[in-house]
Amino acid sequence: GAGVSQTPSNKVTEKGKYVELRCDPISGHTALYWYRQSLGQGPEFLIYFQGTGAADDSGLPNDRFFAVRPEGSVSTLKIQRTERGDSAVYLCASSSRQSTDTQYFGPGTRLTVL
Amino acid sequence: AQSVTQLGSHVSVSEGALVLLRCNYSSSVPPYLFWYVQYPNQGLQLLLKYTTGATLVKGINGFEAEFKKSETSFHLTKPSAHMSDAAEYFCAVSDRGAQKLVFGQGTRLTINP
Repeated sequence: GAGVSQTPSNKVTEKGKYVELRCDPISGHTALYWYRQSLGQGPEFLIYFQGTGAADDSGLPNDRFFAVRPEGSVSTLKIQRTERGDSAVYLCASSSRQSTDTQYFGPGTRLTVL
Repeated sequence: AQSVTQLGSHVSVSEGALVLLRCNYSSSVPPYLFWYVQYPNQGLQLLLKYTTGATLVKGINGFEAEFKKSETSFHLTKPSAHMSDAAEYFCAVSDRGAQKLVFGQGTRLTINP
């Protein structure tokens, strides 16, 4: 079956602009996660959704970052007033209710802020 | 807060040799433990996980890892390296009942012919 998909695969923007990154989880998966992976680092947790609600947003670095999952499926990560330090690969993952400990990752969106 | 330390950002072995990638974690209680592999321009793929039960866990592609509570370690091994094993490997932990993963810095594995 289809895995986690993320669009766009690459996004180049200018400092100060607004960007949206989209994640389509595996069909039927109730949990969805966002991580950020900077060059040469391991992924860092940003936010986790169970259904439509954010169960844990402790990893969001500041109030420029916001994520939604209005219908409990697709999620959008929104970044306002982008900064060069936001450049990274943004990873999305999902897990099922039956196997909550196994997260399946998408290929990521590479964000470059010029 | 939990943390993960992967010893060695780069490991190089010859084809056919033993692969050993080290992972140590800090946690007040035994966490869930994971190894993920990341091939170039691809997403993270789960190799294996330990949640409960047998401490020696077997995963895909011939990899295995052993949870050692006394050493707070979860090292990844493979008896004989293949060229196709060249990739970045990440160790991760999560609290039991919590969902977020805490990752190590990663170890880049290179296989020499």
